[in-house]
Amino acid sequence: EAGVVQSPRYKIIEKKQPVAFWCNPISGHNTLYWYRQNLGQGPELLIRYENEEAVDDSQLPKDRFSAERLKGVDSTLKIQPAELGDSAVYLCASSTRREGSEAEAFFGQGTRLTVV
Amino acid sequence: GQNIDQPTEMTATEGAIVQINCTYQTSGFNGLFWYQQHAGEAPTFLSYNVLDGLEEKGRFSSFLSRSKGYSYLLLKELQMKDSASYLCAVNTDSNYQLIWGAGTKLIIKP
Repeated sequence: EAGVVQSPRYKIIEKKQPVAFWCNPISGHNTLYWYRQNLGQGPELLIRYENEEAVDDSQLPKDRFSAERLKGVDSTLKIQPAELGDSAVYLCASSTRREGSEAEAFFGQGTRLTVV
Repeated sequence: GQNIDQPTEMTATEGAIVQINCTYQTSGFNGLFWYQQHAGEAPTFLSYNVLDGLEEKGRFSSFLSRSKGYSYLLLKELQMKDSASYLCAVNTDSNYQLIWGAGTKLIIKP
C-alpha cells in the first residue's frame, strides 16, 4: 500500500512570496490533516478534512493560509504571502475509521519550508 | 485549557529499559496515541490505548490510566535505532480531534 505522498520535500522562498504544498493521502482514507511542526515541538493542526469538507479549520490563519481538497482525495495548502515565521515542516496525514482500525494517522514525509 | 506534558529529553543505555511518561488534561478523552519520530522524518504510529491497562507490542508497551490522566511508553532492550522523539497525542472527541504533546527526545548511549 502506498503511503501519504507530499511534494515538494523542501522549499525555500523569499518573504511575501506565495507557496503551495500538495498531498496525496492513502487510498480510501477519508480523513486528511495538515499539520505544522516547528523544531522540538509536536505537530500543530492547521486543518482537518472529512472527505471534501473542512471540519476543523479553527487553527488555520485564514488571512494568509488557504486549503482545498477537491473530490475528497488530494489536497493543497497555500500560503500567500509567506512570512518569516512560517518557516517550519508542513505535514500531511490521513486516516480511516474502518472497523478494526485504530484510526491512527499516517504521515507523509513533510515539506520543509524556509522563508528568507 | 488542554494540555499534554512530556519530559523534553531522556537518556538511556543500549540494552536497558526506559519509561517515557505523558500526562494530559483535556476537555474529552477518546484514546491516546504514541508516535515515534526520527530526526527529519515523519511521525510513525506505535500504539493506541483507549481502556485502562497495558498494551504490549514486542519491545514496546504502552500503559493508560484514565482516572489519573496518565500514560507511559515502555521501551525494552533498547537499541541505538530507538534514538528518536516520542510523541504522545490524545484524541479528545469522537471526531478524532488530536492534541499533541511536544515530544520526548530519547538519546541512547552505547
